[in-house]
Amino acid sequence: QLQLQESGPGLVKPSETLSLTCSVSGDSIDSNNYYWGWIRQPPGKGLEWIGSVFHSGSTYSNPSLKSRVTISVLTSENHFSLRLSSVTAADTAVYYCARHRGDSSDWLPFDYWGQGTLVTVSS
Amino acid sequence: DIVMTQSPDSLAVSLGERATINCKSSQTVLYSSNNKNYLAWYQQKPGQPPKLLISWASTRESGVPDRFSGSGSGTDFTLTISSLQAEDVAVYYCQQYYSTPFTFGPGTKVDIK
Repeated sequence: QLQLQESGPGLVKPSETLSLTCSVSGDSIDSNNYYWGWIRQPPGKGLEWIGSVFHSGSTYSNPSLKSRVTISVLTSENHFSLRLSSVTAADTAVYYCARHRGDSSDWLPFDYWGQGTLVTVSS
Repeated sequence: DIVMTQSPDSLAVSLGERATINCKSSQTVLYSSNNKNYLAWYQQKPGQPPKLLISWASTRESGVPDRFSGSGSGTDFTLTISSLQAEDVAVYYCQQYYSTPFTFGPGTKVDIK
């Protein structure tokens, strides 16, 4: 059974960089045609896709965040990571990692999700 | 970006009654070459991640009760819970995966009346 687990600091200071890792178990991160994504949810609000990465390192990111987002994959460790720079209070959210299939012309929805981790931006 | 809207924001339905949630996209999510609607529905209970219920606008995921059904095409979609159960209390989101950036609707909260 596929499992995804987010990890990282729960508190980040304004202007610093948020760093999270999603560890994948139950399947290889480079198997099949899967992308591995990050989605966030501010407290009490809706869902926002941040970006996704393929095991080759190819990425797609939300233009609203693109200049601040780096998503990378480390297949040897079977995990992928998110870095979000220059954070503000508006970046406070539960951050989820999730799996989906697809390519640039044919996507599928997010079928497996991690439990999420709350990241608070505060001094 | 494709903007997703949902209505109503919330609804309360008696146990055993029907709940209907609407979702609208700002542009079509129907891919003409394969006649598929790139529209999914998720259920999120408090403190839990979203759970994929329906993909391709109307295809239930494995294990999802058949009281959940999806319909619609193009830009207008509906999620129906035919007979609301206590465990269906949740927020429901639609999402388009037609193109990046993937976008979600704002959610519809379903409660028991």
